[in-house]
Amino acid sequence: DAKTTQPPSMDCAEGRAANLPCNHSTISGNEYVYWYRQIHSQGPQYIIHGLKNNETNEMASLIITEDRKSSTLILPHATLRDTAVYYCIVRVGITGTASKLTFGTGTRLQVTL
Amino acid sequence: DGGITQSPKYLFRKEGQNVTLSCEQNLNHDAMYWYRQDPGQGLRLIYYSQIVNDFQKGDIAEGYSVSREKKESFPLTVTSAQKNPTAFYLCASSIVGVGTEAFFGQGTRLTVV
Repeated sequence: DAKTTQPPSMDCAEGRAANLPCNHSTISGNEYVYWYRQIHSQGPQYIIHGLKNNETNEMASLIITEDRKSSTLILPHATLRDTAVYYCIVRVGITGTASKLTFGTGTRLQVTL
Repeated sequence: DGGITQSPKYLFRKEGQNVTLSCEQNLNHDAMYWYRQDPGQGLRLIYYSQIVNDFQKGDIAEGYSVSREKKESFPLTVTSAQKNPTAFYLCASSIVGVGTEAFFGQGTRLTVV
């Protein structure tokens, strides 16, 4: 699976959009981009994933560049409850295989008043 | 409620004792996983199972054992052979397939004294 690079930490003011970047320059054509977050001492929470197209759900939007070498997770209106470590993961999607995920150290997002 | 249940949340054991961590899911997922997390680090895969009565080693399987006798259950035993067992242990489950997400339990914090 391709490696990912994320900034170790970011700050965001409450109510503003949080844009979390991820570089995955060695991604291959059948690898998906996943985002999870982990609030302190809890299990990771799935946020969103995509292959080529931009994706949006009730939690966030995922913007993947046309060459797929990087992506951005957007939390449109960050709240204090969004303070967490955000993990960007790239994983091959193969029919009939388990979703083994390789977690890096992620980006620690601090949302402030 | 559908979900993954890990128990107990906190566990203390003496050095040299085996200990078994429980993980149960009612999501009807075929695949289940065990991860380990150390302070300030990402998650590392210990074992995973795609189907009942079958499981595979992950990246750090030494000193651990698992069983998968039922679809709903995937217990992890931390044996005395594991040199640094104190960690946060997370269980997850997923559908087996392309582009599927994994769902995590709330974790068990194991402390060996």
